[in-house]
Amino acid sequence: AQSVTQPDIHITVSEGASLELRCNYSYGATPYLFWYVQSPGQGLQLLLKYFSGDTLVQGIKGFEAEFKRSQSSFNLRKPSVHWSDAAEYFCAVAGANDYKLSFGAGTTVTVRA
Amino acid sequence: ETGVTQSPTHLIKTRGQQVTLRCSSQSGHNTVSWYQQALGQGPQFIFQYYREEENGRGNFPPRFSGLQFPNYSSELNVNALELDDSALYLCASSLGGEGYEQYFGPGTRLTVT
Repeated sequence: AQSVTQPDIHITVSEGASLELRCNYSYGATPYLFWYVQSPGQGLQLLLKYFSGDTLVQGIKGFEAEFKRSQSSFNLRKPSVHWSDAAEYFCAVAGANDYKLSFGAGTTVTVRA
Repeated sequence: ETGVTQSPTHLIKTRGQQVTLRCSSQSGHNTVSWYQQALGQGPQFIFQYYREEENGRGNFPPRFSGLQFPNYSSELNVNALELDDSALYLCASSLGGEGYEQYFGPGTRLTVT
């Protein structure tokens, strides 16, 4: 069964500082990997996705993520955080022949001035 | 191009009642997936509909049922509501039934008292 672990429940970062959110997945075949962001009371917005090819993927809002098969990881990064990046971030995995997304428990990001 | 819409935004029901939640998929998408997000957790997959047929189901009891219509909009029905059904219900649409990126609506917040 596929699963996702986000080890950090809550991260606080200063505005302008870099951010890295960790994601580890378990999946028997080649995974499709996603990062979503959720603002309070809102639905999920897709930040970026990895299906195949270049292991460093660029997304919206200045985010990027790197797929490392050897570590079963898909960590999300942003070089300089803005106050508007405060939100809940979810990593998710699916398979090429799968129909569902399996989500991690999420990481809450707080941005301090 | 319109995004995924859901109705109602919020509702309150009493234990034992029945509820219907509605979702309109993004233009051009033929697949709708439903997720339940309890407070402080990641979304959990309920089921998916692809071209009006159920295409997969998560670990939810039969009192959770759904429909997809010819215009690809969808309904989620929950019978015999329990207190633990209180959650944010998210609908996501995609093109194709497997492994495709899913776009989420804003969700319906259900409170069961």
